[in-house]
Amino acid sequence: AQSVSQHNHHVILSEAASLELGCNYSYGGTVNLFWYVQYPGQHLQLLLKYFSGDPLVKGIKGFEAEFIKSKFSFNLRKPSVQWSDTAEYFCAVALRSTDKLIFGTGTRLQVFP
Amino acid sequence: GAGVSQSPRYKVAKRGQDVALRCDPISGHVSLFWYQQALGQGPEFLTYFQNEAQLDKSGLPSDRFFAERPEGSVSTLKIQRTQQEDSAVYLCASSLGPLSSYNEQFFGPGTRLTVL
Repeated sequence: AQSVSQHNHHVILSEAASLELGCNYSYGGTVNLFWYVQYPGQHLQLLLKYFSGDPLVKGIKGFEAEFIKSKFSFNLRKPSVQWSDTAEYFCAVALRSTDKLIFGTGTRLQVFP
Repeated sequence: GAGVSQSPRYKVAKRGQDVALRCDPISGHVSLFWYQQALGQGPEFLTYFQNEAQLDKSGLPSDRFFAERPEGSVSTLKIQRTQQEDSAVYLCASSLGPLSSYNEQFFGPGTRLTVL
C-alpha cells in the first residue's frame, strides 16, 4: 500500500539548533511532495512544495527540503530554529496522476528558548 | 473570502445521530477535498470534487458517509448513524485547480466531531 513515513514523532530542540525531519514515501511513480505545518490553534498551512526541477526546495520562514529520488525521501531542514517554530509538521505526497494527498503521521516539534 | 471556512467548528453527537458538516471553499476554487484526521494521526483522504463532480470517493470509510457539492461551491459531508469511531477532525481543503498544474491545497480550520 502507498504510505508516507515520518520517523520522528516528537522532537525537542533549543533555539538556534539545527533541524532535520525525515520523510520517506513508498510510491513507485512520479510524485509531488509537500510539507505542511500546523501551529497551535491554527490551520494546516503549506511550508513548501516540490513538483519538478531543482530537488532542493526553499519554503517560507527559512525552511528547505531536499528531494532524493533514489532514497524516496523528502527531508525538511532549517539551519537555526526559533521558539516560534514550535508546531506539528506533516509530510504529504501525491501521485502525479492524482490530486489526493497522502499524509504522514506528523512530527511534533518543541523549541525551547 | 479570505480562506476556507468550515462549520460548525465543534459538533457533539450521540451515537446513531446523523450529522452534516459544511465547507465553504475559497471563491473560484475548482477543486474541493475532504480529509479525516484522527487524534495523533495525519489527515486521511476521504473524497474529492472538481466543480460539482465527485471524481474520487475511494477514501469514504463506509456507505454511512456521503458528500455533495451540488453547485460547485459549498460542500456538505454527511455522516449517517454516527459511531464512536467517527470521532475525528474533518478537514476541508480547496485548490484553484489540479495538483498537476502546480496548485496547492488550502485547508480550513476543521470540524471536530465527538460521538458519545
